Amino acid sequence: NAGVTQTPKFQVLKTGQSMTLQCAQDMNHNSMYWYRQDPGMGLRLIYYSASEGTTDKGEVPNGYNVSRLNKREFSLRLESAAPSQTSVYFCASSEVVVDSPLHFGNGTRLTVT
Amino acid sequence: AQSVTQLDSQVPVFEEAPVELRCNYSSSVSVYLFWYVQYPNQGLQLLLKYLSGSTLVESINGFEAEFNKSQTSFHLRKPSVHISDTAEYFCAVSRGTGRRALTFGSGTRLQVQP
Repeated sequence: NAGVTQTPKFQVLKTGQSMTLQCAQDMNHNSMYWYRQDPGMGLRLIYYSASEGTTDKGEVPNGYNVSRLNKREFSLRLESAAPSQTSVYFCASSEVVVDSPLHFGNGTRLTVT
Repeated sequence: AQSVTQLDSQVPVFEEAPVELRCNYSSSVSVYLFWYVQYPNQGLQLLLKYLSGSTLVESINGFEAEFNKSQTSFHLRKPSVHISDTAEYFCAVSRGTGRRALTFGSGTRLQVQP
């Protein structure tokens, strides 16, 4: 079972460049999320999508945009990358039911120089 | 808004010793509580969760956590750790109603030494 698949696994960008992180899930989940993980800060929610066609800001949305392309796919775009966006990015999905667990991808390690 | 505090960033322990990873939360509404584990170069996996009912919850690999409402804590314990338990552990809280998204603590790195 693939679960949640993220691409790419690693990426190095120069300041000002743009890129899109891709995420796809094959569990038929309605909700999808983007988190960033930084040392000593845990995971912080960037954006989430409760269902296809809807997106909402999380704790740290500035500098990012998202697209819920369909039920399976949820992409994260950096329009003009900054060194402060150096991080590990995780995509996750879950059922709509409030106590259902999040299923995470293996992450994208992004470095902005 | 809710928040989660994990008091220890690293916990070194010898194999077969007991361990406790501490977690405190704050919230003005009812919450659900979770522990997730992250092995190197992987995403997070659910370890256990508290929703309601018995305040002691257990995982399949010997971890347990106890919800203490008066102390707003959800500490994770294991009576005897293995080398394979070496990982980072995250406590998380979700609102009981309304918007559904987890707030994570900063994580505790458990290092099990032989």
